[in-house]
Amino acid sequence: DAGITQSPRHKVTETGTPVTLRCHQTENHRYMYWYRQDPGHGLRLIHYSYGVKDTDKGEVSDGYSVSRSKTEDFLLTLESATSSQTSVYFCAISGTAKNIQYFGAGTRLSVL
Amino acid sequence: DQQVKQNSPSLSVQEGRISILNCDYTNSMFDYFLWYKKYPAEGPTFLISISSIKDKNEDGRFTVFLNKSAKHLSLHIVPSQPGDSAVYFCAASVETSGSRLTFGEGTQLTVNP
Repeated sequence: DAGITQSPRHKVTETGTPVTLRCHQTENHRYMYWYRQDPGHGLRLIHYSYGVKDTDKGEVSDGYSVSRSKTEDFLLTLESATSSQTSVYFCAISGTAKNIQYFGAGTRLSVL
Repeated sequence: DQQVKQNSPSLSVQEGRISILNCDYTNSMFDYFLWYKKYPAEGPTFLISISSIKDKNEDGRFTVFLNKSAKHLSLHIVPSQPGDSAVYFCAASVETSGSRLTFGEGTQLTVNP
């Protein structure tokens, strides 16, 4: 168990509402990532962080923002949720092993 | 532009036989490759990896082969077991990219008893 906790695990929300997903790690790893998983697309990188307050965009970043104020926490925010953001969201971390990422259990988000 | 592709959405094999999962990539800068396994309602778990300086890496029942000239890698599972039934994702990275991974679409492996 890589010591990654995602919260909430399930969320149902309405179009236009803000949503924040939280990823918490106990491994003190430098890198943290947010992915979304959709049928036919595998996992796609939304944003990632390479240190406190250091973040960068991934391939599907539109409509999402992130923040990392502490090493252990990486927040993903949907400012105004849309139905196209219904997905399963995974947080990942990477540490000493080269390029190997370890994943949380996921958050299933439904935007109605 | 799908840089990593798994062309088979599903694969079904008999218990005890070999499972071969395939993955193709287009970006010649990729130099590190990984396979992940995912069960329903769980996060992906790391299975095995290979660096571009090798053409084979083995870990128990799992072997990954890399053919750089063809930009192709494969995962062999021998012998296959019902507990191996899961979705398998291949992923690729460039070592200097801050460990960003690009994933394929996944292949659902079903191992029948």
